[in-house]
Amino acid sequence: GEDVEQSLFLSVREGDSSVINCTYTDSSSTYLYWYKQEPGAGLQLLTYIFSNMDMKQDQRLTVLLNKKDKHLSLRIADTQTGDSAIYFCADGQKFYFGSGTKLNVKP
Amino acid sequence: NAGVTQTPKFQVLKTGQSMTLQCAQDMNHEYMSWYRQDPGMGLRLIHYSVGAGITDQGEVPNGYNVSRSTTEDFPLRLLSAAPSQTSVYFCASRNSYEQYFGPGTRLTVT
Repeated sequence: GEDVEQSLFLSVREGDSSVINCTYTDSSSTYLYWYKQEPGAGLQLLTYIFSNMDMKQDQRLTVLLNKKDKHLSLRIADTQTGDSAIYFCADGQKFYFGSGTKLNVKP
Repeated sequence: NAGVTQTPKFQVLKTGQSMTLQCAQDMNHEYMSWYRQDPGMGLRLIHYSVGAGITDQGEVPNGYNVSRSTTEDFPLRLLSAAPSQTSVYFCASRNSYEQYFGPGTRLTVT
């Protein structure tokens, strides 16, 4: 939806870090989410962050939240070809989704 | 636990036909919603429900109806299908902080 925005494409080499960015408008969102969608599949919840946190780490995934700028990012360390997918951020207030960032990982 | 199930997986309709997309969840979630996904548009919220008997409109409700007579089921009705409704439709249900998606229904309107 209009309330959540993402860039459309990101290309990285295998082993590099990927950073996917998202901006949102609803400051009342209690949670913010990252979902992964592989080709032809549904959406898989990757991780989420509570709005009173600045950072959350979960294995290779790091979520950073800047509430002042309403900016959310997802960092994938040591990106693998299996990480190639579309990544969506979503706000937890209305569950509006961004348009998705297509991550392409080159071997 | 089956989670969120949707039927059918695929459907082709002619312009003007009506049909119902089925969605069911077995997690006893109060909140359910329908999205459509179009290339480059992400997911857009069509309708949602915060409990049995309560529904509300999302971003793109025109041309769709919903009802919620039970906690488990949340069907989406297309009253008179149009080519602009060609899309992949996802149903979702959630608890306080996690949303789960069904596998989707790919609908083509010719």
